[in-house]
Amino acid sequence: SQQGEEDPQALSIQEGENATMNCSYKTSINNLQWYRQNSGRGLVHLILIRSNEREKHSGRLRVTLDTSKKSSSLLITASRAADTASYFCATAVQGAQKLVFGQGTRLTINP
Amino acid sequence: DTEVTQTPKHLVMGMTNKKSLKCEQHMGHRAMYWYKQKAKKPPELMFVYSYEKLSINESVPSRFSPECPNSSLLNLHLHALQPEDSALYLCASSQDEESRKLFFGSGTQLSVL
Repeated sequence: SQQGEEDPQALSIQEGENATMNCSYKTSINNLQWYRQNSGRGLVHLILIRSNEREKHSGRLRVTLDTSKKSSSLLITASRAADTASYFCATAVQGAQKLVFGQGTRLTINP
Repeated sequence: DTEVTQTPKHLVMGMTNKKSLKCEQHMGHRAMYWYKQKAKKPPELMFVYSYEKLSINESVPSRFSPECPNSSLLNLHLHALQPEDSALYLCASSQDEESRKLFFGSGTQLSVL
């Protein structure tokens, strides 16, 4: 079963704008990760935030985690056409030996 | 080498065929995974191998048979598949089952006729 819900399901913005996507989950987690997938390709790990962290940065990416609300957000600043992809959050659930992926957000960056 | 290599990239097979998907990594990772992904859906876990032993089988039908010949290789044997099994099959690896940061291959796009 999928425990992550992402919104929006699809997002279309102009190049240069910031893109924000959100992820909510249901159970206690050890960490939350974000992955990017270009059409028909494998997933690429972007960033991991542990349950005791609130914010993390990597280049143009900023991830926040609110364990009280069981939610996370991914912000991509100064978007580029190459950022067009699907973005998935994935949770490492406490007590479970697997990573569970959210439904994903399809991001389109218009030139 | 930080790659996970999957072959073939595309596969078309009939319902009576037997085929195999292959996955290889040389990062010294001790956990390897098979995921199935339908169009516009998230990846769904099928199998996990940890230290070359099957640790998770997500109630996958027996027409899918995984094999881990050694720590670098992972196979998925396919037999008597159904058209609804058509999907992108992704292999992934991680340092171990605890780290859970996954490195994915590019996948095999499977079509069952």
